[in-house]
Amino acid sequence: QVQLVQSGAEVKKPGASVKVSCKASGYTSTSYGIGWVRQAPGQGLEWMGWISAYNGNTNSAQKFQGRVTMTTDTSTGTAYMELRSLRSDDTAVYYCASGGPHSSSWYDYWGQGTLVTVSS
Amino acid sequence: QSVLTQPPSASGTPGQRVTISCSGSNSNIGSNYVYWYQQLPGTAPKLLIYRNNQRPSGVPDRFSGSKSGTSASLAISGLRSEDEADYYCAAWDDSLSNWVFGGGTKLTVL
Repeated sequence: QVQLVQSGAEVKKPGASVKVSCKASGYTSTSYGIGWVRQAPGQGLEWMGWISAYNGNTNSAQKFQGRVTMTTDTSTGTAYMELRSLRSDDTAVYYCASGGPHSSSWYDYWGQGTLVTVSS
Repeated sequence: QSVLTQPPSASGTPGQRVTISCSGSNSNIGSNYVYWYQQLPGTAPKLLIYRNNQRPSGVPDRFSGSKSGTSASLAISGLRSEDEADYYCAAWDDSLSNWVFGGGTKLTVL
């Protein structure tokens, strides 16, 4: 059974960076990808980007390009999403989700979410 | 301003059948599969329907999906109180090269 476990809640000041981790278990190979989706308070889902667990290829939404970095550590099965230059409107729950090996693969499994609060 | 358009709310009584619509364009729904996610209060989204009308293991057959042209819909029959949740449609967008979501529909079971 695939399981995604994310790191704990974070509180950051405007202008700072945050790095959220997502540890995947239950996969028998690296033929999968990890997507990052965020949800601002009371709002809908917003796709941020994706990384291949196989070769580290990434694809990010234009809105976040230049501000987001997605990495993966194949030795531990952990994916990371770093968002820089935080603003108050980056306050949201950040989810990782896993699926097939392509950027366009849908997401079968979701992490529990990580609340990131940006406040001075 | 979501790329896919859903009604913000829907409601029904126990046992009733409700449908939730999702409208897009040629670059997303018109040329790719549609997916539906259910988000219960305070929890992460859960895959409900994939590839327009397929149910993952464990999803009751009360849930069904369909797609026509640039629109899709989710139908829930035999409504139950535990179906009260937010429902999101999603599709890959070829023009943006990213996933797009609907704004979500809050389903209330009266």
